[in-house]
Amino acid sequence: GEDVEQSLFLSVREGDSSVINCTYTDSSSTYLYWYKQEPGAGLQLLTYIFSNMDMKQDQRLTVLLNKKDKHLSLRIADTQTGDSAIYFCAEMNYGQNFVFGPGTRLSVLP
Amino acid sequence: AAGVIQSPRHLIKEKRETATLKCYPIPRHDTVYWYQQGPGQDPQFLISFYEKMQSDKGSIPDRFSAQQFSDYHSELNMSSLELGDSALYFCASSSPARTGGHNSPLHFGNGTRLTVT
Repeated sequence: GEDVEQSLFLSVREGDSSVINCTYTDSSSTYLYWYKQEPGAGLQLLTYIFSNMDMKQDQRLTVLLNKKDKHLSLRIADTQTGDSAIYFCAEMNYGQNFVFGPGTRLSVLP
Repeated sequence: AAGVIQSPRHLIKEKRETATLKCYPIPRHDTVYWYQQGPGQDPQFLISFYEKMQSDKGSIPDRFSAQQFSDYHSELNMSSLELGDSALYFCASSSPARTGGHNSPLHFGNGTRLTVT
Protein backbone atom coordinates (compact mmCIF):
# COMPACT_ATOMS: atom_id res chain seq x y z
CA GLY A 1 0.00 0.00 0.00
CA GLU A 2 0.91 3.64 -0.17
CA ASP A 3 2.24 5.42 2.90
CA VAL A 4 3.98 8.77 3.15
CA GLU A 5 5.54 9.74 6.47
CA GLN A 6 6.90 13.03 7.77
CA SER A 7 7.93 14.36 11.15
CA LEU A 8 5.16 16.61 12.39
CA PHE A 9 7.08 19.58 13.76
CA LEU A 10 10.29 21.49 13.04
CA SER A 11 11.57 24.69 14.65
CA VAL A 12 14.47 26.70 13.29
CA ARG A 13 15.91 30.15 13.87
CA GLU A 14 15.56 32.83 11.25
CA GLY A 15 18.52 32.71 8.87
CA ASP A 16 19.28 29.04 9.51
CA SER A 17 18.59 26.25 7.03
CA SER A 18 15.54 24.03 7.45
CA VAL A 19 15.49 20.41 6.37
CA ILE A 20 12.14 18.69 6.15
CA ASN A 21 12.23 14.94 5.63
CA CYS A 22 9.78 12.55 4.06
CA THR A 23 9.73 8.80 3.52
CA TYR A 24 7.45 6.88 1.22
CA THR A 25 6.81 3.21 0.57
CA ASP A 26 5.50 3.02 -2.99
CA SER A 27 8.41 2.14 -5.25
CA SER A 28 6.34 2.97 -8.34
CA SER A 29 6.30 6.67 -7.44
CA THR A 30 6.94 8.69 -10.56
CA TYR A 31 6.92 12.21 -9.17
CA LEU A 32 7.39 13.50 -5.64
CA TYR A 33 6.11 16.90 -4.62
CA TRP A 34 6.39 19.50 -1.91
CA TYR A 35 3.41 21.70 -1.12
CA LYS A 36 3.25 24.61 1.33
CA GLN A 37 0.12 25.52 3.25
CA GLU A 38 -0.13 28.72 5.24
CA PRO A 39 -2.85 29.05 7.91
CA GLY A 40 -6.33 29.07 6.38
CA ALA A 41 -4.91 29.02 2.86
CA GLY A 42 -4.71 26.58 -0.01
CA LEU A 43 -1.93 24.24 -1.00
CA GLN A 44 0.83 25.95 -2.92
CA LEU A 45 3.02 23.78 -5.12
CA LEU A 46 6.62 24.57 -4.17
CA THR A 47 8.59 22.14 -6.25
CA TYR A 48 8.61 18.60 -7.54
CA ILE A 49 11.15 16.05 -8.65
CA PHE A 50 10.95 13.19 -11.10
CA SER A 51 11.94 9.84 -9.69
CA ASN A 52 14.95 9.45 -11.99
CA MET A 53 16.57 12.57 -10.52
CA ASP A 54 18.42 12.77 -7.24
CA MET A 55 18.54 16.52 -6.74
CA LYS A 56 16.74 19.62 -7.84
CA GLN A 57 17.57 23.19 -6.83
CA ASP A 58 15.28 26.19 -7.16
CA GLN A 59 16.54 29.40 -5.53
CA ARG A 60 16.45 28.78 -1.75
CA LEU A 61 14.91 25.33 -2.15
CA THR A 62 16.88 22.12 -2.63
CA VAL A 63 15.15 18.77 -3.03
CA LEU A 64 17.14 15.59 -2.47
CA LEU A 65 15.79 12.19 -3.44
CA ASN A 66 17.27 8.88 -2.32
CA LYS A 67 15.24 6.42 -4.31
CA LYS A 68 16.95 3.38 -2.80
CA ASP A 69 15.91 4.43 0.72
CA LYS A 70 12.65 6.04 -0.51
CA HIS A 71 13.65 9.23 1.27
CA LEU A 72 12.90 12.75 0.12
CA SER A 73 14.04 15.96 1.75
CA LEU A 74 13.36 19.66 1.27
CA ARG A 75 16.04 22.10 2.35
CA ILE A 76 15.16 25.76 2.72
CA ALA A 77 18.21 27.99 2.89
CA ASP A 78 18.19 31.24 4.91
CA THR A 79 14.79 30.44 6.43
CA GLN A 80 12.58 33.49 6.94
CA THR A 81 9.52 34.05 9.16
CA GLY A 82 7.40 33.96 5.99
CA ASP A 83 8.44 30.35 5.53
CA SER A 84 6.44 29.36 8.63
CA ALA A 85 3.78 27.00 7.32
CA ILE A 86 2.89 23.34 6.99
CA TYR A 87 4.87 21.51 4.33
CA PHE A 88 3.31 18.46 2.72
CA CYS A 89 5.25 15.81 0.91
CA ALA A 90 3.19 14.01 -1.76
CA GLU A 91 3.78 11.27 -4.27
CA MET A 92 2.18 10.30 -7.56
CA ASN A 93 2.54 6.70 -8.65
CA TYR A 94 1.95 4.93 -11.96
CA GLY A 95 -1.63 4.25 -10.88
CA GLN A 96 -2.23 8.00 -10.97
CA ASN A 97 -2.87 7.98 -7.23
CA PHE A 98 -1.74 11.12 -5.44
CA VAL A 99 -0.97 10.62 -1.73
CA PHE A 100 -0.08 13.28 0.85
CA GLY A 101 2.02 12.88 3.95
CA PRO A 102 0.72 14.23 7.28
CA GLY A 103 2.57 17.52 6.89
CA THR A 104 5.44 19.09 8.82
CA ARG A 105 4.67 22.29 10.70
CA LEU A 106 7.69 24.57 10.33
CA SER A 107 8.05 27.30 12.95
CA VAL A 108 10.65 29.99 12.33
CA LEU A 109 11.86 31.71 15.48
CA PRO A 110 13.22 35.28 15.33
CA ALA B 1 -1.37 33.06 -14.57
CA ALA B 2 -4.88 31.72 -14.04
CA GLY B 3 -5.30 29.45 -11.06
CA VAL B 4 -7.94 27.02 -9.86
CA ILE B 5 -11.00 28.93 -8.73
CA GLN B 6 -13.29 27.59 -6.04
CA SER B 7 -16.55 29.00 -4.83
CA PRO B 8 -17.77 29.86 -2.36
CA ARG B 9 -14.78 30.56 -0.11
CA HIS B 10 -16.84 30.04 3.02
CA LEU B 11 -20.13 28.21 3.56
CA ILE B 12 -22.16 27.71 6.71
CA LYS B 13 -24.88 25.08 6.71
CA GLU B 14 -27.00 23.33 9.29
CA LYS B 15 -27.12 19.60 9.87
CA ARG B 16 -29.12 17.67 7.28
CA GLU B 17 -28.90 20.53 4.75
CA THR B 18 -27.29 20.24 1.33
CA ALA B 19 -24.34 22.11 -0.11
CA THR B 20 -22.82 22.52 -3.56
CA LEU B 21 -19.19 23.44 -4.04
CA LYS B 22 -17.88 24.60 -7.39
CA CYS B 23 -14.47 24.31 -8.96
CA TYR B 24 -13.14 25.94 -12.12
CA PRO B 25 -9.86 24.33 -13.21
CA ILE B 26 -6.96 26.06 -14.85
CA PRO B 27 -7.75 26.54 -18.56
CA ARG B 28 -6.89 23.46 -20.67
CA HIS B 29 -6.60 21.26 -17.60
CA ASP B 30 -8.71 18.17 -18.17
CA THR B 31 -8.46 16.45 -14.78
CA VAL B 32 -10.11 17.62 -11.58
CA TYR B 33 -9.62 16.25 -8.08
CA TRP B 34 -11.54 16.87 -4.86
CA TYR B 35 -9.91 16.67 -1.45
CA GLN B 36 -11.23 17.08 2.08
CA GLN B 37 -8.98 18.46 4.81
CA GLY B 38 -10.20 18.26 8.39
CA PRO B 39 -8.68 20.40 11.14
CA GLY B 40 -5.04 19.46 11.65
CA GLN B 41 -5.26 16.72 9.03
CA ASP B 42 -3.60 16.15 5.70
CA PRO B 43 -5.84 16.37 2.61
CA GLN B 44 -7.81 13.21 1.93
CA PHE B 45 -8.69 12.29 -1.63
CA LEU B 46 -12.41 12.14 -2.38
CA ILE B 47 -12.88 11.73 -6.12
CA SER B 48 -11.40 12.70 -9.48
CA PHE B 49 -12.60 13.24 -13.03
CA TYR B 50 -10.77 13.00 -16.32
CA GLU B 51 -12.45 14.29 -19.47
CA LYS B 52 -15.81 14.51 -17.68
CA MET B 53 -15.73 10.88 -16.56
CA GLN B 54 -15.06 9.72 -13.01
CA SER B 55 -11.50 8.42 -13.00
CA ASP B 56 -10.87 7.47 -9.39
CA LYS B 57 -12.77 7.33 -6.14
CA GLY B 58 -11.38 7.74 -2.65
CA SER B 59 -13.04 8.16 0.71
CA ILE B 60 -16.10 9.98 -0.57
CA PRO B 61 -19.25 9.27 1.47
CA ASP B 62 -22.33 8.01 -0.34
CA ARG B 63 -24.06 11.26 0.68
CA PHE B 64 -21.69 13.14 -1.62
CA SER B 65 -21.66 13.14 -5.38
CA ALA B 66 -19.69 15.04 -7.96
CA GLN B 67 -19.53 15.59 -11.65
CA GLN B 68 -17.44 17.35 -14.27
CA PHE B 69 -19.23 19.37 -16.91
CA SER B 70 -18.54 19.96 -20.61
CA ASP B 71 -16.61 23.16 -19.78
CA TYR B 72 -14.47 21.07 -17.36
CA HIS B 73 -15.73 22.79 -14.24
CA SER B 74 -16.76 20.45 -11.45
CA GLU B 75 -19.31 20.50 -8.67
CA LEU B 76 -19.30 18.57 -5.41
CA ASN B 77 -22.80 18.00 -4.06
CA MET B 78 -23.14 17.17 -0.40
CA SER B 79 -26.42 16.08 1.15
CA SER B 80 -27.63 15.26 4.66
CA LEU B 81 -24.73 17.24 6.06
CA GLU B 82 -23.21 16.11 9.34
CA LEU B 83 -21.11 18.00 11.86
CA GLY B 84 -18.13 15.87 10.82
CA ASP B 85 -18.35 17.23 7.29
CA SER B 86 -16.97 20.55 8.55
CA ALA B 87 -13.65 20.88 6.74
CA LEU B 88 -11.72 22.61 4.02
CA TYR B 89 -12.61 21.23 0.62
CA PHE B 90 -9.96 21.61 -2.04
CA CYS B 91 -10.23 21.21 -5.72
CA ALA B 92 -7.14 20.60 -7.82
CA SER B 93 -6.56 20.32 -11.52
CA SER B 94 -3.82 18.94 -13.70
CA SER B 95 -2.93 19.32 -17.33
CA PRO B 96 -3.21 16.63 -19.98
CA ALA B 97 0.35 15.33 -19.51
CA ARG B 98 -0.48 11.72 -20.11
CA THR B 99 2.10 11.09 -22.79
CA GLY B 100 5.23 9.08 -22.15
CA GLY B 101 3.98 8.08 -18.70
CA HIS B 102 4.59 11.52 -17.28
CA ASN B 103 2.21 13.02 -14.74
CA SER B 104 1.74 16.71 -14.25
CA PRO B 105 1.54 18.16 -10.75
CA LEU B 106 -1.74 19.04 -9.12
CA HIS B 107 -2.53 22.72 -8.79
CA PHE B 108 -4.85 23.49 -5.91
CA GLY B 109 -7.47 26.14 -5.39
CA ASN B 110 -7.72 28.09 -2.16
CA GLY B 111 -10.48 25.82 -0.91
CA THR B 112 -14.00 26.17 0.39
CA ARG B 113 -14.33 26.20 4.17
CA LEU B 114 -17.54 24.40 5.05
CA THR B 115 -18.91 24.75 8.57
CA VAL B 116 -21.83 22.57 9.58
CA THR B 117 -23.68 23.69 12.71
